[in-house]
Amino acid sequence: DGGITQSPKYLFRKEGQNVTLSCEQNLNHDAMYWYRQDPGQGLRLIYYSQIVNDFQKGDIAEGYSVSREKKESFPLTVTSAQKNPTAFYLCASKLGNEQFFGPGTRLTVL
Amino acid sequence: DAKTTQPTSMDCAEGRAANLPCNHSTISGNEYVYWYRQIHSQGPQYIIHGLKNNETNEMASLIITEDRKSSTLILPHATLRDTAVYYCIVRVASNAGNMLTFGGGTRLMVKP
Repeated sequence: DGGITQSPKYLFRKEGQNVTLSCEQNLNHDAMYWYRQDPGQGLRLIYYSQIVNDFQKGDIAEGYSVSREKKESFPLTVTSAQKNPTAFYLCASKLGNEQFFGPGTRLTVL
Repeated sequence: DAKTTQPTSMDCAEGRAANLPCNHSTISGNEYVYWYRQIHSQGPQYIIHGLKNNETNEMASLIITEDRKSSTLILPHATLRDTAVYYCIVRVASNAGNMLTFGGGTRLMVKP
């Protein structure tokens, strides 16, 4: 089946460690996005990529990094520079007018 | 980006129509109105979008006012599974990949 997968669903890390969140899509979409959601709030854009080997910062890119070496994959690294990394992270891809979202990864930094 | 304003929360009785309003008074002529919903701890789900005309699909209807400054999402027969946060979004038409900007949304509670 076509879709977007994110793994893992829940992730725990110690403070000061870098952690990479996976996002894979087999929809053949060019554009992919990473959002962060905090409790009771809307989504905020971290990074996006319109094509392979290209990506742009969103509204809250500080403390995060991404890569886009393959069309299907857009991993997000949460670095130790991110001051408050505990959140729900959503990956999305886009075709035409519609964005398709993955199931999300809930990251908790202890 | 045109901003949107939605009520923070709404209740609806099961089986009745849920009418969710959204104000977007600064919308530009080439911007679409999108509706997504998010059920707790899941990714947002696309519902419907429109430019000027009213739209209907298997999930909902979208009514856009003639001046396009507001819209209403209608769930004709709400069920308990429709309990979610509903986001009204105005699409940014730019070189930035047409990304969507999400606000706080309306928390719809469907009650039996």
